Amino acid sequence: AQSVTQPDIHITVSEGASLELRCNYSYGATPYLFWYVQSPGQGLQLLLKYFSGDTLVQGIKGFEAEFKRSQSSFNLRKPSVHWSDAAEYFCAVGADDYKLSFGAGTTVTVRA
Amino acid sequence: KAGVTQTPRYLIKTRGQQVTLSCSPISGHRSVSWYQQTPGQGLQFLFEYFSETQRNKGNFPGRFSGRQFSNSRSEMNVSTLELGDSALYLCASSSSGGGNQPQHFGDGTRLSIL
Repeated sequence: AQSVTQPDIHITVSEGASLELRCNYSYGATPYLFWYVQSPGQGLQLLLKYFSGDTLVQGIKGFEAEFKRSQSSFNLRKPSVHWSDAAEYFCAVGADDYKLSFGAGTTVTVRA
Repeated sequence: KAGVTQTPRYLIKTRGQQVTLSCSPISGHRSVSWYQQTPGQGLQFLFEYFSETQRNKGNFPGRFSGRQFSNSRSEMNVSTLELGDSALYLCASSSSGGGNQPQHFGDGTRLSIL
């Protein structure tokens, strides 16, 4: 069965600084990987996805993620955060069983 | 194109009651999934439906059930509510539900059990 680990529960970053959120997955086959963001009181919004091909994928809102098979990782990055990036971020893996398995999430706080 | 619509947004029930939540997927999407989100357990998969058939079910008691209609709209039902059922219930849709397909989420139904 597939699983996802997000090692950081909470990250605080200054506005304008870079951000990196870690994600490690466990899955026997080629994974389908996703990053979602959730603002308070809202559902999940898809930031980006990786299926195959180029291991550096670009997403919305200036985010990118890099797939590293050797490390079973799919870390999310943003070069310069904005106050509006404060939210909870979820990494997820999709498989052939019609469901997404999510990590526990990382809460990002942006300080002025 | 309208997104995933969940109704109601908020619901308050008491222990022992039952509740039905509704989800209308994005037009053209035939797969609908349900997830439960709680602070302690995070996001947990409940079930997935495609063409009115349940293809996968998570590890939840039989009190949790769902169905999908011919227009792809879906409902989930929870009977004999318990305090621990308080959660945000999220519905997601995709065109066919394959693992390589992004799921699009609604804003959820916040269920509170008193």
